[in-house]
Amino acid sequence: GAVVSQHPSWVICKSGTSVKIECRSLDFQATTMFWYRQFPKQSLMLMATSNEGSKATYEQGVEKDKFLINHASLTLSTLTVTSAHPEDSSFYICSVTPVQRGGNTDTQYFGPGTRLTVL
Amino acid sequence: GQQLNQSPQSMFIQEGEDVSMNCTSSSIFNTWLWYKQDPGEGPVLLIALYKAGELTSNGRLTAQFGITRKDSFLNISASIPSDVGIYFCAGQTMNRDDKIIFGKGTRLHILP
Repeated sequence: GAVVSQHPSWVICKSGTSVKIECRSLDFQATTMFWYRQFPKQSLMLMATSNEGSKATYEQGVEKDKFLINHASLTLSTLTVTSAHPEDSSFYICSVTPVQRGGNTDTQYFGPGTRLTVL
Repeated sequence: GQQLNQSPQSMFIQEGEDVSMNCTSSSIFNTWLWYKQDPGEGPVLLIALYKAGELTSNGRLTAQFGITRKDSFLNISASIPSDVGIYFCAGQTMNRDDKIIFGKGTRLHILP
């Protein structure tokens, strides 16, 4: 499987501040990364698809000006939660889709997640 | 929209028992994935299925891609305490740009 890292693993911030979360693909290049949010005892909710060298594609209901995504290289995507509020507190997880032999691009490998707590 | 129905929502079993969970969809999927998530961690891929009828094992885990391409099951044999966690099914349609759809998860508890 693929190795995906996230940094930081947890962060606590004051309301109104911005928080940047990094997602790195450590053993392969990824033109596409995904950002998910997960609330306690719930499933993963896709927030946006991060495309290297172009704008991210956001899911319906996700504010692109609040959740800024930058995919500047083939191994790094960042999610910035701007002007964070307590309701933004959640578990944020990224995933990557490697291109495998045979063309199967359907498998996603997840990072360990980032726990954001906004006070 | 596409929906994945995963059941059961939770399970309480004795150590050593076998476990079975499944996912169904009203849409046809070309890929079925099964993940396990431990508390505070990201999901870890257990088994990936790419062909209808495919039966794949990973240790004590066995998963099958339903022949109708609308369902999949995951079995765990002889459960052990470290099997505790949340199991998610996920599916994707043929279009490689399609997003992966996740089930709501099955929370597995093992009684002492």
